[in-house]
Amino acid sequence: ETGVTQTPRHLVMGMTNKKSLKCEQHLGHNAMYWYKQSAKKPLELMFVYNFKEQTENNSVPSRFSPECPNSSHLFLHLHTLQPEDSALYLCASSQESEAGGASYYEQYFGPGTRLTVT
Amino acid sequence: KNQVEQSPQSLIILEGKNCTLQCNYTVSPFSNLRWYKQDTGRGPVSLTIMTFSENTKSNGRYTATLDADTKQSSLHITASQLSDSASYICVVSLDTGRRALTFGSGTRLQVQP
Repeated sequence: ETGVTQTPRHLVMGMTNKKSLKCEQHLGHNAMYWYKQSAKKPLELMFVYNFKEQTENNSVPSRFSPECPNSSHLFLHLHTLQPEDSALYLCASSQESEAGGASYYEQYFGPGTRLTVT
Repeated sequence: KNQVEQSPQSLIILEGKNCTLQCNYTVSPFSNLRWYKQDTGRGPVSLTIMTFSENTKSNGRYTATLDADTKQSSLHITASQLSDSASYICVVSLDTGRRALTFGSGTRLQVQP
């Protein structure tokens, strides 16, 4: 295993429901990511947290709300989703330096949450 | 526009055979290129990372090559096994930020007995 866990592994929800996805990393990393993977499409970066601060939000609709209470945990709160939001949601973590520099940081992915919106 | 194109989209080979997957990219400025393996129902796992100065890197039966001049990479799998059945994703990193990754759509490989 990669040291990144995600729960639940599968989730079916209606368009009016509110649910949350959870990610936990056991690697001591300081950066965490949410990705969306739709069928036959490239992974899409959704959010990035670096040192617990959200540093990137790639034009994600407000019905997706991330939360990073500490460097080991990441949540994705979901509400009033649409059927086209059905996808595999992947969490990843990496260890980044504060100095930044070239993007050479290895990312470790969790197994994903398969989300179906009905 | 920064893009990563992978071919073929899918591939079926017999166990024990070799195969080569292709990746062409238009990402610039280029920092590094990664190949990931993604088993069904799992997250991607890194196979190799290469910077522009490296033109080949191996990880067991997996060998990745990189030609930064033509912006092409390949992943060669030797003596395939049933466990190699997975999607293989090419990821190119920009040299402008820590998280500027561009993902390909992947090649779906099926190894049959």
